[in-house]
Amino acid sequence: QISLKESGPTLVKPTQTLTLTCTFSGFSLSASGVGVGWIRQPPGKALEWLALIYWDDDRRYSPFLKSRLTITKDTSRNQVILTMTNMDPVDTGTYYCAHILGASPFDHWGQGILVTVSS
Amino acid sequence: DIQMTQSPSSVSASVGDRVTITCRASQGISNWLAWYQQKPGRAPKLLIYFASSLQTGVPSRFSASGSGTDFTLTISSLQPEDFATYYCQQSKSFPLTFGGGTKVEIK
Repeated sequence: QISLKESGPTLVKPTQTLTLTCTFSGFSLSASGVGVGWIRQPPGKALEWLALIYWDDDRRYSPFLKSRLTITKDTSRNQVILTMTNMDPVDTGTYYCAHILGASPFDHWGQGILVTVSS
Repeated sequence: DIQMTQSPSSVSASVGDRVTITCRASQGISNWLAWYQQKPGRAPKLLIYFASSLQTGVPSRFSASGSGTDFTLTISSLQPEDFATYYCQQSKSFPLTFGGGTKVEIK
């Protein structure tokens, strides 16, 4: 059974770097085609895709945020880490990680973590 | 980037009603389209993949169709648990993009 869970700070100050960890079970990020992505959602707004890392270390980023994002994986720990630099209040929202297989959609999601950016 | 436009942004309906939501892509995406349901305070849930394939466990009152640029999600007989926000998402190319959402509200 696939499960994912996000962890990290729930409050960060403007200009700080956010580091979020997605810890998963029920699948291996070494298996062909498997990927883990990050999606965020500002309060009351739509979903926004941020980044995705595949089993072969292929990494994809939202072009709008690419300069601020880094996604990495630790296969031995079943974790995917997202860092976002220079946080701003507009980055406030719920951050989700999710499982993907190839070009299929995100079929399993974590519960999300609400991150607030405020001084 | 491929823009995804949903309509309407909200719809009021009663239990038992048939509800149809539309999603339009700014360029052809073949059948690389998914639909998600999201309830307040919850993560999105995958309903439909490859434009018309029902995810395991999703009730058969949900159906979807379309190809290319125009897609629809239909709920044949709205149930109380279906009141939620629905999103479409394309996976034809990066960046992955979502529609703006359609909120299905109780009339």
